[in-house]
Amino acid sequence: SAVISQKPSRDICQRGTSLTIQCQVDSQVTMMFWYRQQPGQSLTLIATANQGSEATYESGFVIDKFPISRPNLTFSTLTVSNMSPEDSSIYLCSVSRGTSTDTQYFGPGTRLTVL
Amino acid sequence: GQQVMQIPQYQHVQEGEDFTTYCNSSTTLSNIQWYKQRPGGHPVFLIQLVKSGEVKKQKRLTFQFGEAKKNSSLHITATQTTDVGTYFCAGPGGAQKLVFGQGTRLTINP
Repeated sequence: SAVISQKPSRDICQRGTSLTIQCQVDSQVTMMFWYRQQPGQSLTLIATANQGSEATYESGFVIDKFPISRPNLTFSTLTVSNMSPEDSSIYLCSVSRGTSTDTQYFGPGTRLTVL
Repeated sequence: GQQVMQIPQYQHVQEGEDFTTYCNSSTTLSNIQWYKQRPGGHPVFLIQLVKSGEVKKQKRLTFQFGEAKKNSSLHITATQTTDVGTYFCAGPGGAQKLVFGQGTRLTINP
């Protein structure tokens, strides 16, 4: 398993601003992912954070809106840019070792409210 | 692309009753995983099934993987209030990603 922390745990932001969420893991991991979970809904994958290269985004998510960094094997950031109320959601990072049968371990999440 | 359908969306039971959630995939899965998310919490891995027809038990929880590896179920016997939460199944989505089902939210009347 892995111990994952996220900062901030929650935030209330004004529309048009940006928020950067940090994800820190206690050990080196191959894969890091960012998800969005709207209230009462399932998990939607935003992107895979690749160490040392550009993130791989899922359909419907773009780098300009959700820039992601991963400078090393234990840390990643997700920025929610030019926010609108529709971005209000829980943002979760997860990690795995990267094998095809590997499980994912999730951080505690960041609850974002955009006014 | 890969889709994982999960039913029911909601289930409310009396404490002590049984509970079952079902997961179906449009394609054959190499494995299926189950996660539990408590209210206000984050998803936590429960178990992984790999073999056709596999059955695994964790105390009152029984997990099954279908013979065709396209469906799975989670059955909880004699629910307790600690079982409250949303249960997600997830299948491989390529490139070490997971595709999550919609989840089944379980509430329990004590």
